[in-house]
Amino acid sequence: QVQLQESGPGLVKPSETLSLTCTVSGGPVSSDSYYWSWIRQPPGKGLEYIGYMFYSGSTSYNPSLKSRVTISVHTSKNQFSLELTSATAADTAVYYCARGAWLQFSDLFDPWGQGTLVTVSS
Amino acid sequence: SSELTQDPAVSVALGQTVRITCQGDSLRSYYATWYQQKPGQAPVLVIYGENNRPSGIPDRFSGSSSGNTASLTISGAQAEDEADYYCNSRDSSGNHVVFGGGTKLTVL
Repeated sequence: QVQLQESGPGLVKPSETLSLTCTVSGGPVSSDSYYWSWIRQPPGKGLEYIGYMFYSGSTSYNPSLKSRVTISVHTSKNQFSLELTSATAADTAVYYCARGAWLQFSDLFDPWGQGTLVTVSS
Repeated sequence: SSELTQDPAVSVALGQTVRITCQGDSLRSYYATWYQQKPGQAPVLVIYGENNRPSGIPDRFSGSSSGNTASLTISGAQAEDEADYYCNSRDSSGNHVVFGGGTKLTVL
């Protein structure tokens, strides 16, 4: 079955760019049946949608993060990535990658990666 | 604040039935999706669409919707159902995904 795994630095300095990669195994990212998504969870808080990208290139970003977010799909490595510029302490969170799909008038995210904690601190 | 509202905490006696709700205007047009998250773990999909369970999710989990409210019902709650539950759907524009604030379920 499809599995996702996040990777990237666990510590980012304020004002720098937070960059994460999600490696997909068990299925291709080059499928427009799914969208490749990032979701985060600040410590002790709820889930926050960051955005997603279809293989075809269309994207959707959380309006509150849109000016700082870029999601890309890399078919040669079967990966997709997240870049969040101008990081602040408020971006400290567990970051999850997930495969999204639109079924029966609902967005569903499944499976999810295990999550990676990114701390923004000097 | 989220466009989807969930009660922060709900409790249920072992073996009893509990309903967890998610409210939002967009739920008049879209179904909610439900996830279970246990401490230190990634969320797990439990219900999507009108009332669909992925393989491996016990049939004591069910979903329903009425007006602007979606509900996740656990019939005969078990100790292992103690977790945080999140709903997601679209925002009022229909263009963006949103999550509810989550409900912490305690099984007494």
